[in-house]
Parts: sequence; C-alpha cells; structure tokens
Amino acid sequence: GQQVMQIPQYQHVQEGEDFTTYCNSSTTLSNIQWYKQRPGGHPVFLIQLVKSGEVKKQKRLTFQFGEAKKNSSLHITATQTTDVGTYFCAANFGNEKLTFGTGTRLTIIP
Amino acid sequence: NAGVTQTPKFQVLKTGQSMTLQCAQDMNHEYMSWYRQDPGMGLRLIHYSVGAGITDQGEVPNGYNVSRSTTEDFPLRLLSAAPSQTSVYFCASSYRGPGGGPDTQYFGPGTRLTVL
Repeated sequence: GQQVMQIPQYQHVQEGEDFTTYCNSSTTLSNIQWYKQRPGGHPVFLIQLVKSGEVKKQKRLTFQFGEAKKNSSLHITATQTTDVGTYFCAANFGNEKLTFGTGTRLTIIP
Repeated sequence: NAGVTQTPKFQVLKTGQSMTLQCAQDMNHEYMSWYRQDPGMGLRLIHYSVGAGITDQGEVPNGYNVSRSTTEDFPLRLLSAAPSQTSVYFCASSYRGPGGGPDTQYFGPGTRLTVL
C-alpha cells in the first residue's frame, strides 16, 4: 500500500537546540504537506512542497522535498517553547487522498 | 467564516448504539474528509468526498458510513458502535490542489468519542 514512514516518534530537546523530523516513502510522491498539532488541538497546515528538491523557509522552520520526491524533512532551528506539539507530514501519491505519517512529538526542556 | 465545525465535541456511547458525527464547512471546499486519530498511529482516513454526491473509502472505512448531499455538510455515521471505535475524530475540508489531489486541509476541532 501507499505508506509514509515518519521518524522519530518522539524528540525531547533543550530549548535552543535544533529539531528535525523526516518522512520517507518507497513511492514517488506528487506533493507533501506538513502540519502541526498542539496538545489537545487540531492539526494546522504549515506548508506544501510540490517540486523536486524544493526548499522553503518560514522563520526558524526549513522544509525540504527530496530530489526523487520520495522524502521530506522539517527542521526547526533554535527551538522555543512555542514549538511544542506533534508534527505530521501528509503525502499525496497522485490520487485524491492524503496519507499522514505517524507524527513526531516534540517536547522542549526549558 | 466559521471554517470547519464539528458536533458534538464529546460523546460517550454504549456498544451497539448508533450515532452521527456532524461536520460542516462554509468555505465552498470540494474536498471533505473524516480521519480518526489514535495514539501512535497518526491520522487515518476513514472516508472522503470530492464533491456533493460523491464519496469514497479511505484506509479504515469499516463500521462507518458517509453521505454528501450538499457541498457544506459531510456527516459520519456509526451504525453499531464498538469499543475499537473509541478515538478522536477530525473532519477536514480543502480545495482541489495543484496535482488534482486535496490542497491545504482545514480541520475541525474534533470529536472525542468513547465507546463502552
């Protein structure tokens, strides 16, 4: 089936350290989206990547889409307490559905 | 705009009971989807719709029915609730994206369902 692996499942970092989560697929993706879910909340859209090798930045967040369009990453520089939450990738395989990764839960140690 | 609304926010059912989770959006989105979220398993697609009158199954459709008679509404029906359906349910809507699939998903606040 069309699945996307997301690692790590959990990440605990000291405030100010960097954080990265990765999503990998064995099948070429049409596009990939990233979402953030705060504890007790609902997922909120962060960004969509469509082009091979695409890199997009939002302040301290950097999103990358691999050259083969099979993997993607989200990197946060100098984490802050406001970054706490679970980050999900959501892959589109060229059909009418999104397949979500299992998420990476980020906790910050002040 | 209210965005995506879901009711109820919380529900407790007994095994075998039926109920409908309501979802509505006021953004004129073509796509609407239902996901369930369980610990460690991310969001799994139950059913989705690409327009009024059109629905299709997702990854975990068993035990759930949907219909889409209007663009705005996409209710999810549990015909005979089971403890395995205890979960948080999210409804989402979106426009059609650049590749033809769903674009930015706007999620409702969720319904926390417990089946005893």
